[in-house]
Amino acid sequence: GEDVEQSLFLSVREGDSSVINCTYTDSSSTYLYWYKQEPGAGLQLLTYIFSNMDMKQDQRLTVLLNKKDKHLSLRIADTQTGDSAIYFCAESIRGNTPLVFGKGTRLSVIA
Amino acid sequence: GAGVSQSPSNKVTEKGKDVELRCDPISGHTALYWYRQSLGQGLEFLIYFQGNSAPDKSGLPSDRFSAERTGGSVSTLTIQRTQQEDSAVYLCASSYEGDRANYGYTFGSGTRLTVV
Repeated sequence: GEDVEQSLFLSVREGDSSVINCTYTDSSSTYLYWYKQEPGAGLQLLTYIFSNMDMKQDQRLTVLLNKKDKHLSLRIADTQTGDSAIYFCAESIRGNTPLVFGKGTRLSVIA
Repeated sequence: GAGVSQSPSNKVTEKGKDVELRCDPISGHTALYWYRQSLGQGLEFLIYFQGNSAPDKSGLPSDRFSAERTGGSVSTLTIQRTQQEDSAVYLCASSYEGDRANYGYTFGSGTRLTVV
């Protein structure tokens, strides 16, 4: 079945790196996504990675994908207070099926 | 419009009343999704519309929930005889299916429903 798991909380100091982890169960996942949700707002797409890639970098964000272990991570370099939010991992399994989301990781950045 | 618009942003209703939540997707987006976000839970898929195809209703939690999408654009989610467990944030998203990889979904800000 489809299931996406994330730890619920992460706390880091400003300037440090944050690493948010996600595991998924469906090996046929095609795309994996990271979304950010700020208080009172909807979800905003941060980045995505195709299943035939193992790494993607976009400015302060680095996504690592380990297909063998079905493990996805999001690293945020030089974490800022504005990065405080809930981060959701999501997988896309087949073309026209809805994304499956994890429960989200609440990142708190301490100044 | 420029983004996905949802209304109302907040709704307080009495138990047993019916409510309607509205979603106005991005113009040209062929797919529209409703999700529910409850405290401590992730995003729970409710229903999905794609073009002229029959909607995927597999996530609707009970027959009190229904949704329609008129003219391939605006969608309304209706909850009949609301219960306290229906209290949640209802999120709508739209996407252009041909380009989901690059853009994923665009979400609205949600409707916070409180049943008292």
